[in-house]
Amino acid sequence: GNSVTQMEGPVTLSEEAFLTINCTYTATGYPSLFWYVQYPGEGLQLLLKATKADDKGSNKGFEATYRKETTSFHLEKGSVQVSDSAVYFCALRGTDSWGKLQFGAGTQVVVTP
Amino acid sequence: DTGVSQDPRHKITKRGQNVTFRCDPISEHNRLYWYRQTLGQGPEFLTYFQNEAQLEKSRLLSDRFSAERPKGSFSTLEIQRTEQGDSAMYLCASSTTDRTEAFFGQGTRLTVV
Repeated sequence: GNSVTQMEGPVTLSEEAFLTINCTYTATGYPSLFWYVQYPGEGLQLLLKATKADDKGSNKGFEATYRKETTSFHLEKGSVQVSDSAVYFCALRGTDSWGKLQFGAGTQVVVTP
Repeated sequence: DTGVSQDPRHKITKRGQNVTFRCDPISEHNRLYWYRQTLGQGPEFLTYFQNEAQLEKSRLLSDRFSAERPKGSFSTLEIQRTEQGDSAMYLCASSTTDRTEAFFGQGTRLTVV
């Protein structure tokens, strides 16, 4: 079945540091890939997405590229802010899954001033 | 677009009691999903509706769980004879048929004491 593996947290960074969160997946066919963010006490918000190989999703300074050859969708941001402190979830939507999402376990990011 | 709305936001119940949660999806969205999220984990798929039809149920959804979506609008998730292991955040999401991203509500946090 489909699965998503992402790096464990917490990841603690200083403001303006570079952030990378690794995400790899296992799936048949060509899934769509997503990053969601969850702020404390809130639901999930879509951060970015990519629907085919080599697509790059980007939003709010975050980027991720769909790499079919390495089955990866790593999240990056060049200069983090304290407001980026949250839990980040990598997810995939399989081609035969009725649109349901398979999530990774989440990575907590803590940005300190 | 008022977003996905869930009610209540928090519910504390005694073991053995029944609870019901409500989800109001974005109005033009005909796909509706329920997920469960336990502490430190990513959301896990529970069930999926397309309009009023419940098309998929996860093996996580025991016989004590039932979900409905009458008239293809709002949905309810009922848990009968709650157990401490049911304590979790219950998330609802909705999407349109021809879009890949799902929009999540803020969730209902259930605590069974």
